[in-house]
Amino acid sequence: KAGVTQTPRYLIKTRGQQVTLSCSPISGHRSVSWYQQTPGQGLQFLFEYFSETQRNKGNFPGRFSGRQFSNSRSEMNVSTLELGDSALYLCASSPDPGRAGDEQFFGPGTRLTVL
Amino acid sequence: SQQGEEDPQALSIQEGENATMNCSYKTSINNLQWYRQNSGRGLVHLILIRSNEREKHSGRLRVTLDTSKKSSSLLITASRAADTASYFCATAPTGANSKLTFGKGITLSVRP
Repeated sequence: KAGVTQTPRYLIKTRGQQVTLSCSPISGHRSVSWYQQTPGQGLQFLFEYFSETQRNKGNFPGRFSGRQFSNSRSEMNVSTLELGDSALYLCASSPDPGRAGDEQFFGPGTRLTVL
Repeated sequence: SQQGEEDPQALSIQEGENATMNCSYKTSINNLQWYRQNSGRGLVHLILIRSNEREKHSGRLRVTLDTSKKSSSLLITASRAADTASYFCATAPTGANSKLTFGKGITLSVRP
């Protein structure tokens, strides 16, 4: 089975712009979670989607949004970028969201740099 | 906010030695997981231990869980240079729709 894929791998944007990141989960996985990783804050949970519905949300401003499509692929969007949004954005999928805290399979991440 | 806190923050050992990493957490959990991350890459799941388990092994990895002390340890035996990475514990709190919460990680350096 192919692993979790994320595109693009690297992205450079300027303040005020918006960005869309994409994630394709492992085939058959229906839950997709997004995380932001920075040296200062570590790994922080953004949101989780299952069956095109947001099931869980972290403590991030409304500039961060996401969605999931019927094929389980997910996108996250950040509007009005700030310098502090520079981070590694990780997507993870899991096979059975009915089991709380299932093992997560991570993609390689998208490195976003905001100038 | 991080629930799991790893200790130490950084560890440097010689190849062949054992590496022990600890994780403490605050709330009741369904399970605790350990992940590895090589520099700037995605995380790789290593092992999951459920709240009713006390010890689990996987290859050179040994994980213990003490729910009374709300702590876990990860032991890597006979370390190799390829074990150099960051290691994270993640806790799955009890409750519906709970989400995994990651600690800030431990940086392990294994010197050849």
